[in-house]
Amino acid sequence: KAGVTQTPRYLIKTRGQQVTLSCSPISGHRSVSWYQQTPGQGLQFLFEYFSETQRNKGNFPGRFSGRQFSNSRSEMNVSTLELGDSALYLCASSLEEGSGYTFGSGTRLTVV
Amino acid sequence: AQKVTQAQTEISVVEKEDVTLDCVYETRDTTYYLFWYKQPPSGELVFLIRRNSFDEQNEISGRYSWNFQKSTSSFNFTITASQVVDSAVYFCALSGRLTGGGNKLTFGTGTQLKVEL
Repeated sequence: KAGVTQTPRYLIKTRGQQVTLSCSPISGHRSVSWYQQTPGQGLQFLFEYFSETQRNKGNFPGRFSGRQFSNSRSEMNVSTLELGDSALYLCASSLEEGSGYTFGSGTRLTVV
Repeated sequence: AQKVTQAQTEISVVEKEDVTLDCVYETRDTTYYLFWYKQPPSGELVFLIRRNSFDEQNEISGRYSWNFQKSTSSFNFTITASQVVDSAVYFCALSGRLTGGGNKLTFGTGTQLKVEL
C-alpha cells in the first residue's frame, strides 16, 4: 500500500514568488491535513480538507491556501513568499476522525 | 484550547539504557486521542501509537511501552534497552475535535533523543 506522497521534496524560491506543493494521500483516505514545521514555532496546523472542502484552517494569513481534488489529492499554495515561510511542510492523510494520521516525507521550502 | 507539553528538550543516553520521554497534555474535550510520532533526520513523521481517552491500559510493543494516566494528564513513552537507531526527535500529539468537524493535531515541542555507543 503506497504511503503519502509529497512533491517536490525540496524547493528554493525567491521572496515575492508563489509556490504550489502537492500531496497524494493513501488510497481511500479522504481527509488531508497540512502542517508547517519551523525551528521557532514547531509543528503548526495549516488546514484540513475533506471531500474537496476545507473543513478547518489554522491561524495563518490568507497567503496560505489550498484545495483538494475529487481523487483526494491536495495542493497548498503560498503566495508572495516571505523569508519566514521557509519551513518543512508536511501533509497527513487520515481515513476517518481519530483513526490516526499518516504523514508524508514533507517538502522543504527555502525562501531566499 | 489544547496544549501539549514536552518538558525535555534533549536527552542523551548510552546504548542499552532505558529512557522515558514525558508528555503532559491539556484539553477540555472528553473524547480525544493521543499520539506519539518519531521524526528521524529525513523529516518524515513516523506513527508510533494512538490511544483514545477512554482506554487507559498501558501498551507494550517490543522495546516500546506507553503509560497513559488520565488523572495526571500524562502519556509517557519508554524505550527499553535503547539503540542508536532510536536517535530521533519524538513528538507527542493530541487530536481534538474542531467546531467545523474533523480534527487537528496539536503537537508538543518534541524531545531530541540521542543514543550513543
